[in-house]
Amino acid sequence: DGGITQSPKYLFRKEGQNVTLSCEQNLNHDAMYWYRQDPGQGLRLIYYSQIVNDFQKGDIAEGYSVSREKKESFPLTVTSAQKNPTAFYLCASSIDAAGGGTGELFFGEGSRLTVL
Amino acid sequence: AQSVTQLDSQVPVFEEAPVELRCNYSSSVSVYLFWYVQYPNQGLQLLLKYLSGSTLVKGINGFEAEFNKSQTSFHLRKPSVHISDTAEYFCAGGYSSASKIIFGSGTRLSIRP
Repeated sequence: DGGITQSPKYLFRKEGQNVTLSCEQNLNHDAMYWYRQDPGQGLRLIYYSQIVNDFQKGDIAEGYSVSREKKESFPLTVTSAQKNPTAFYLCASSIDAAGGGTGELFFGEGSRLTVL
Repeated sequence: AQSVTQLDSQVPVFEEAPVELRCNYSSSVSVYLFWYVQYPNQGLQLLLKYLSGSTLVKGINGFEAEFNKSQTSFHLRKPSVHISDTAEYFCAGGYSSASKIIFGSGTRLSIRP
C-alpha cells in the first residue's frame, strides 16, 4: 500500500537532547512537509521541500532542522534550541512540486513528542 | 497575507441532526480549498476539495461543501451526523502566491447521542 510512514509514534525526550523524527513516503511525490500541531492552534508549517537536496523554512523553523537526501525521505530533527518541543508532529507529501498548492496533501499518522 | 478562518472552535450537535462547519478564506485570483478530517491521535485525511467548476463539492462520508466567491466562504455541511463523525475538521486553502497550503485553526465536532 502506498502511503506515508512516520516513526516513532510516541517519543519521550529529556531536556537538552536532540531527537529525529522519521518520515518516509512511497507515493513518488516530489514535495514533502513537516507540520507541528498544538491544541487550538491548527497546523503550523515547520519546513517543506519541493525537490531533493532543497528545502525551505516554514513559519516556525527555529529550533528544527531537516534534510532531503532522498526523494522518499524527509527526517525532522528537533534540536535542544527548540524551547517548547512537546507537540504532535505531522509529515505530509503532495504530487505538486510547483508553487500553487493545488495538490492534495497526504499525511502520515503523526509522532507525539513529549519532553520530560 | 492569505488566511483561512474557521469561525467555531467547537460545535456540539445531536446524532442525526444536520451540521454546518464554517470556513472563510482571504480572497485571491486563484485559490483552491480543502476540508480535512482528523480522528484522535491520527493524521489528516481529505474529505473534499474545490479546484474549479461546480461550486457544490461532494466528499466522503456524506459531507459536502459549497464554494461561495462573493462571501469568500467554503462551509462544510452534512444533513445527518453519526457518532463516528466525531473528529476535528480543518479547512485549508492553496494560494498560488504562497506556494503552500494554509490551514485554519480547526473545528472540533462532538456528537451527542
